[in-house]
Amino acid sequence: DQQVKQNSPSLSVQEGRISILNCDYTNSMFDYFLWYKKYPAEGPTFLISISSIKDKNEDGRFTVFLNKSAKHLSLHIVPSQPGDSAVYFCAASALVSGSRLTFGEGTQLTVNP
Amino acid sequence: EAQVTQNPRYLITVTGKKLTVTCSQNMNHEYMSWYRQDPGLGLRQIYYSMNVEVTDKGDVPEGYKVSRKEKRNFPLILESPSPNQTSLYFCASRGALEAFFGQGTRLTVV
Repeated sequence: DQQVKQNSPSLSVQEGRISILNCDYTNSMFDYFLWYKKYPAEGPTFLISISSIKDKNEDGRFTVFLNKSAKHLSLHIVPSQPGDSAVYFCAASALVSGSRLTFGEGTQLTVNP
Repeated sequence: EAQVTQNPRYLITVTGKKLTVTCSQNMNHEYMSWYRQDPGLGLRQIYYSMNVEVTDKGDVPEGYKVSRKEKRNFPLILESPSPNQTSLYFCASRGALEAFFGQGTRLTVV
C-alpha cells in the first residue's frame, strides 16, 4: 500500500521557467511533509518541509504548498536552474508513528539550459 | 558538521556470503533507519531503531538484520545475501524535523 505517491516519474522544464512537482498521500494521520533532493552518487538531502497547520512554506526559490482536503502537496521551483536537475522525493510523517518517514517514488527533474 | 557516514560505498559480493554495512551518525539522534532505493519504487524502509537496543521492522525487512548497541552506530547485516538484494542502500538518522542521509552503499550480489 503506497501511502505517498509521486505519479510523475520525470519532468523536463526550461531554465528560468517554473518547475512543479506533485505528491499525493492517503494517510490522514500524516502531519509533517518534507521534500528531498538527490543527485547521482549522493544521499538525499533535505530541501524544504511543511507542517499540516500551514498551507504554504517558502524558502528562496522553493515553495511547498499543502492542500489537506485533497491530500496533495506540491513543490514549486522558480526560476528553475540547470543545477536543480535531480531526483526529488516527497516524504511524510505522522506524530503518532514517531520519527518514521514514508517516501514517494521520486520524480526526476531535468532543467534544460 | 552534521554527518551520517556509511561504509563501504560500493560492494560486490557473492550469494550467501555474509556482509555488514556500517552506519554512524554524529548528531546524537535517537532515531536511525535503513532504506533501499530501487528504480520506480523510491525509498523503502528496511529497519529502524528508536533508541539503543530498540529496533523494529520497516516495510521490506526480509533477509536483513540490524543491531543498535550504541546510539551512534546502526549496522545493516545481510546474513546470506541474494541477488534480489542488489540495490542502493541508505542509512539515515532523524532528529526533531528532517532526516539526514548517508552517501549510500551500492551493493551488487552475484
